[in-house]
Amino acid sequence: DAGVIQSPRHEVTEMGQEVTLRCKPISGHDYLFWYRQTMMRGLELLIYFNNNVPIDDSGMPEDRFSAKMPNASFSTLKIQPSEPRDSAVYFCASTQGAHKFVTEAFFGQGTRLTVV
Amino acid sequence: DAKTTQPNSMESNEEEPVHLPCNHSTISGTDYIHWYRQLPSQGPEYVIHGLTSNVNNRMASLAIAEDRKSSTLILHRATLRDAAVYYCILSITDKLIFGTGTRLQVFP
Repeated sequence: DAGVIQSPRHEVTEMGQEVTLRCKPISGHDYLFWYRQTMMRGLELLIYFNNNVPIDDSGMPEDRFSAKMPNASFSTLKIQPSEPRDSAVYFCASTQGAHKFVTEAFFGQGTRLTVV
Repeated sequence: DAKTTQPNSMESNEEEPVHLPCNHSTISGTDYIHWYRQLPSQGPEYVIHGLTSNVNNRMASLAIAEDRKSSTLILHRATLRDAAVYYCILSITDKLIFGTGTRLQVFP
């Protein structure tokens, strides 16, 4: 397997524009996680899915953020409208089974978002 | 969520062993201890995990205190490639919550 694949790797957009980040988890994995990383706040869990269903979105900063998982092989994180403070690296991760029991989460290479 | 405490930074020379400590005094009996690391400009990667017994794999060893209130990640011979931020995490629920980690510098 090619691992968790995120696209794009880099995104530069103007404030107010819609941004869509994409993630393809590892085949067979039933959990998918979206994280955001900044120097100030470190790695923050935004939302996670189990079997394509959102389980916990308490980390989503505000209504401008939304995430979907229409099928087991694809998820999107959308920001509309984007703001400069959304600039960060966004990571997607997937696991087979729950963290409480499972051994390993696999992370993508991340999408570096810059909002100007 | 149970909290972990790690030093902000540590230094090592290449080819020397490195012991990265983690305190988790509020750990409960069913919490696994996970270690991840994040190399520069990459996503986090799994290193090792354990519950009660010490664990070894090709990357590192994990030594868990008998009362489970602390653990130590051991890199037997540090290389320049081991320079990264190391995270000690307790998995209580389905979520993997990262703290601030320990930034390890390795000098040639």
